Amino acid sequence: GAGVSQSPSNKVTEKGKDVELRCDPISGHTALYWYRQSLGQGLEFLIYFQGNSAPDKSGLPSDRFSAERTGGSVSTLTIQRTQQEDSAVYLCASSSTSSEQYFGPGTRLTVT
Amino acid sequence: GQQVMQIPQYQHVQEGEDFTTYCNSSTTLSNIQWYKQRPGGHPVFLIQLVKSGEVKKQKRLTFQFGEAKKNSSLHITATQTTDVGTYFCAGDNAGNMLTFGGGTRLMVKP
Repeated sequence: GAGVSQSPSNKVTEKGKDVELRCDPISGHTALYWYRQSLGQGLEFLIYFQGNSAPDKSGLPSDRFSAERTGGSVSTLTIQRTQQEDSAVYLCASSSTSSEQYFGPGTRLTVT
Repeated sequence: GQQVMQIPQYQHVQEGEDFTTYCNSSTTLSNIQWYKQRPGGHPVFLIQLVKSGEVKKQKRLTFQFGEAKKNSSLHITATQTTDVGTYFCAGDNAGNMLTFGGGTRLMVKP
């Protein structure tokens, strides 16, 4: 079966522009997570969606970051007015009730 | 909030040597998971430990969960170049949310 997919795989944008990153989770997975990983660093939690519950946004670094999950499936992470420090790989993961997370290949964002 | 610390951050070994990474949580966990991320790749699930004192093996990899369910270790016997990557532990405190450790980056010299 299909795994978690993310698009685009790479995104280069100019400082100040807005970007949208997309995540397609595994079908039937109720939980969806966004993480950020800077080069050579660990996973920084951003936001967590579980079913129809209100998302846990506690990891979002600023109000320039937002995320939606439409219809309990696809999710979009939006970064407004991008800054150079936003450059990183953005990873999406999904899970069922077993809590094991399946990661997508990530979107590498470069802000110039 | 819950914190998960992992040591060491980096480890260089000669091929054939053993390797261990340690994970400690500030709170008691319902389970702990381990992931491996190859260079340029994304994290891939390795194993989940649930019971106090649990030990699981996958070929040359041995995973342990502490009696207090607050610490864990991953031991690799006789490392190979294919073991290169970053190993992350992730603690679950029963909320379906994982808190990831900072990872241990393993480098193996052939």
